[in-house]
Amino acid sequence: AQSVTQLGSHVSVSEGALVLLRCNYSSSVPPYLFWYVQYPNQGLQLLLKYTSAATLVKGINGFEAEFKKSETSFHLTKPSAHMSDAAEYFCAVSLRQDSNYQLIWGAGTKLIIKP
Amino acid sequence: DGGITQSPKYLFRKEGQNVTLSCEQNLNHDAMYWYRQDPGQGLRLIYYSQIVNDFQKGDIAEGYSVSREKKESFPLTVTSAQKNPTAFYLCASGKDRAQSNYGYTFGSGTRLTVV
Repeated sequence: AQSVTQLGSHVSVSEGALVLLRCNYSSSVPPYLFWYVQYPNQGLQLLLKYTSAATLVKGINGFEAEFKKSETSFHLTKPSAHMSDAAEYFCAVSLRQDSNYQLIWGAGTKLIIKP
Repeated sequence: DGGITQSPKYLFRKEGQNVTLSCEQNLNHDAMYWYRQDPGQGLRLIYYSQIVNDFQKGDIAEGYSVSREKKESFPLTVTSAQKNPTAFYLCASGKDRAQSNYGYTFGSGTRLTVV
């Protein structure tokens, strides 16, 4: 079965430090990939997406992600963490099922920013 | 501005009572989705609809029902058969279920609590 794995349910970094949130997927065909962010008691907001153009994708709030086909990974990074980045982050893969596509979700990673 | 509106933001249900969560979108999206979110469990798909008057069960449809009488609206009813309904419910829409690279737009969620 197709799946998305986010390594670490919680990641803690100091303010100003590098943020790295990991996402690996299982797929036999090139997928479309997404990162979403969720602030407490809110819906999900699209951060960025990979749709087979450039492998390095820039998103909102200074985040970026790199698609690595050989590693089946789409890790999310930000050079310098800010307190406002504290949220839960979800990786998702769009995969074909019959004639339709659906999003397969990772379990989420909660990002904690230490002052 | 286009978007998805979920109401109410907070909802309290008594034992044995049916309640309906509202989801309205003005994005002209064909596909709509309902997810349930519990702490540490990510997003679980309840129901989805690709076109008006058609909907499909997701992974955890038992105890829930939906309708899609209008393109803009996709209400979710949590019935008394759902034994553990306390959760955060998210509605989402997608441009077209056959288009894989757009991702979804989410509402701000409804938090349902059994009292």
